[in-house]
Amino acid sequence: GENVEQHPSTLSVQEGDSAVIKCTYSDSASNYFPWYKQELGKGPQLIIDIRSNVGEKKDQRIAVTLNKTAKHFSLHITETQPEDSAVYFCAASRGNAGNMLTFGGGTRLMVKP
Amino acid sequence: NAGVTQTPKFRVLKTGQSMTLLCAQDMNHEYMYWYRQDPGMGLRLIHYSVGEGTTAKGEVPDGYNVSRLKKQNFLLGLESAAPSQTSVYFCASSYSGGLEAFFGQGTRLTVV
Repeated sequence: GENVEQHPSTLSVQEGDSAVIKCTYSDSASNYFPWYKQELGKGPQLIIDIRSNVGEKKDQRIAVTLNKTAKHFSLHITETQPEDSAVYFCAASRGNAGNMLTFGGGTRLMVKP
Repeated sequence: NAGVTQTPKFRVLKTGQSMTLLCAQDMNHEYMYWYRQDPGMGLRLIHYSVGEGTTAKGEVPDGYNVSRLKKQNFLLGLESAAPSQTSVYFCASSYSGGLEAFFGQGTRLTVV
């Protein structure tokens, strides 16, 4: 089955700096890679996703890059703000019926004002 | 627009007691899931369902049972709770497998 590893487990940045979280996956057939943000006391919420037919996707201050050859993908947050502080999860799947999302271990991001 | 609703939000059980966690979704999703979240271990899939009347085992199914009698509801049962089942439980649903999942707010369960 799929195995997703996520690094770092904790990340502390100064407000305004950039933050990068990296994930690697094992199943070369995976083609859907979402990122979830979990705020304290809440359930994870999708913030951005990417499919294997593109190498990069942006949405305002967040972007995700994908390297299928190396089997890794990354989340980039620019101009970080205190409200970006949360736990972030990456995930991977084959993106079709019968296949489930496999999640990474999570990254706790702390943005210091 | 409720999305995915879990009840209860908090529960304390004694070892050996039983309980049922209820998940309800109003998005007409076929797929529903139960995850547990433990520190440093991310989200691990307990059981899932691909449609009304179906259930299947996930990564960590031991000690849990599930039922999906109605499309909108997915129940997670603990027959004889153990301290190792202390965790935060999340229900989620999706239109199809392996795609965007919508999560509930979670249930914090403590087994003493």
